[in-house]
Amino acid sequence: AQSVTQLDSQVPVFEEAPVELRCNYSSSVSVYLFWYVQYPNQGLQLLLKYLSGSTLVKSINGFEAEFNKSQTSFHLRKPSVHISDTAEYFCAVSDQKDSSNTGKLIFGQGTTLQVKP
Amino acid sequence: DAGVTQSPTHLIKTRGQQVTLRCSPKSGHDTVSWYQQALGQGPQFIFQYYEEEERQRGNFPDRFSGHQFPNYSSELNVNALLLGDSALYLCASSLRSAGNTIYFGEGSWLTVV
Repeated sequence: AQSVTQLDSQVPVFEEAPVELRCNYSSSVSVYLFWYVQYPNQGLQLLLKYLSGSTLVKSINGFEAEFNKSQTSFHLRKPSVHISDTAEYFCAVSDQKDSSNTGKLIFGQGTTLQVKP
Repeated sequence: DAGVTQSPTHLIKTRGQQVTLRCSPKSGHDTVSWYQQALGQGPQFIFQYYEEEERQRGNFPDRFSGHQFPNYSSELNVNALLLGDSALYLCASSLRSAGNTIYFGEGSWLTVV
């Protein structure tokens, strides 16, 4: 079984400042890792994912996350945030080896990123 | 390319009633999963359908049931609604042969009064 812990429920930050949203996971098997973003009253949008290869993955809007296997972490970072980044961010994992688990994601509780002017 | 579409967007039901939510997967996807997201929480996996069969189920009672049709679309049914069933219900689709990328719909907001 897997579990995901997002260490901060809320992260307030000023516009143009850097931010890090922390995510740790627990799993007895290898996992895929994801970050999803949810804007108010909307569904989830895939922000970025780690499947294999380079441990640093990047999104098109400036976010990046680094997979650290030894620390079982997948923290999300952005060097300079914008007001429009205000949203709920969810870290999630899925079982890499069990094909029957396709589509089953285990989510963290979410982190609210509030960007202030 | 149409993404995952869900209907209705919002609905209000009374305790004890039954509800049906609908989902059309992203074009080319064959696997549909349903999630429940209570207010202030992360989504919780309900079940997954592939080839018109329930393949996996999360920790939800039998009041939650579903169906997948030959065109891959899916329904989620909840019987004997409880106040605690009030939540955002999210449909997600993927391609089983490449299941590591999952797309979500906008969700259906269910309020039970």
